[in-house]
Amino acid sequence: EAQVTQNPRYLITVTGKKLTVTCSQNMNHEYMSWYRQDPGLGLRQIYYSMNVEVTDKGDVPEGYKVSRKEKRNFPLILESPSPNQTSLYFCASSPGQRIQYFGAGTRLSVL
Amino acid sequence: QQQVKQSPQSLIVQKGGISIINCAYENTAFDYFPWYQQFPGKGPALLIAIRPDVSEKKEGRFTISFNKSAKQFSLHIMDSQPGDSATYFCAASRRGNQFYFGTGTSLTVIP
Repeated sequence: EAQVTQNPRYLITVTGKKLTVTCSQNMNHEYMSWYRQDPGLGLRQIYYSMNVEVTDKGDVPEGYKVSRKEKRNFPLILESPSPNQTSLYFCASSPGQRIQYFGAGTRLSVL
Repeated sequence: QQQVKQSPQSLIVQKGGISIINCAYENTAFDYFPWYQQFPGKGPALLIAIRPDVSEKKEGRFTISFNKSAKQFSLHIMDSQPGDSATYFCAASRRGNQFYFGTGTSLTVIP
């Protein structure tokens, strides 16, 4: 089954404790993105990648890192999480033509 | 600032009625305008999309109307059904897989 898989689905952590949210797609898509969704703000793009080793900043990249060492994986790294990074995070992948397939989301709470 | 402005924030429609959600943008570099549907606990799913070289696109009960000169586009849901109750996001994209989303519209269709 074609899918975008995010792990974990739920995460509670404390300020400053490094964490990684994984994203994997099995559709051989070149493009992948990370978004955060906040009430009243919609979805905002954090980072996107157009291919292996090619990443670029989205609208709200501060406090986040990404890497794209393999085509199928695009992890989101929070080196020192802060409470304002409490949010619902979505990974998406795309075969091109801007069509995006989203994962089920990761709900992160930073205390 | 919000690159894509979406209204209304919430909408209640009777079954069989027409639901209309509006979006506006400023950046003329945008060349792809998708609409996404999101159910609670799920990731957004692409519903329908349009490019600025056409003024209207229809897929089943869903229609996008696009006004390039006014920099506005809208989603019309004909014969709205309770199963259409969801949150709808408009978005705009320019080359390079960079996306900007509206703030979302929560649609409730009353039986």
